[in-house]
Amino acid sequence: GAGVSQSPSNKVTEKGKDVELRCDPISGHTALYWYRQSLGQGLEFLIYFQGNSAPDKSGLPSDRFSAERTGGSVSTLTIQRTQQEDSAVYLCASSSLGGTEAFFGQGTRLTVV
Amino acid sequence: KQEVTQIPAALSVPEGENLVLNCSFTDSAIYNLQWFRQDPGKGLTSLLLIQSSQREQTSGRLNASLDKSSGRSTLYIAASQPGDSATYLCAVSSSARQLTFGSGTQLTVLP
Repeated sequence: GAGVSQSPSNKVTEKGKDVELRCDPISGHTALYWYRQSLGQGLEFLIYFQGNSAPDKSGLPSDRFSAERTGGSVSTLTIQRTQQEDSAVYLCASSSLGGTEAFFGQGTRLTVV
Repeated sequence: KQEVTQIPAALSVPEGENLVLNCSFTDSAIYNLQWFRQDPGKGLTSLLLIQSSQREQTSGRLNASLDKSSGRSTLYIAASQPGDSATYLCAVSSSARQLTFGSGTQLTVLP
């Protein structure tokens, strides 16, 4: 596609429910990143995928968070048993290779009530 | 652990002024440095990418420099316009795996 696409753009969920956030990277990009931006905070790295290599999950804040990338393209970030502190904007980025120019999607704004 | 600092946190200037945004990083072993723009409620837009072997990059009214040895980068905006108002983020790639971001500079250009 022309750019990185994320869906939904906004998600309101009740505390304790599970949510899935989707990211469609730029076609042909092998590297995909997830970041979290809490209100008034900087961007926090969550997870990185590169091709068929094992993902770097070092930024995931708890075992309630998981992500997968199917067929080396679309990625889904899943948050189980959501908590109010999970409220944030979740941003996805892709690049042609790890360490090259990264392009970001518009983000998913998650609100846990 | 790489740390990125941006100064100032906020900046307000009249239209037409030239301005400089600063970014510093603690580990000089970087792959590249990237400047982004973020408008309220939006994602990040890539402005400039400087590879570790480069000293500067230019795009239109924007010029970014990199001094890897001192751990500094600057983003120069010439002839600022109200449409330049946004938060500017600096990010460093210290490995192929992730970008480390600064907290950003919130720029307001007054008409």
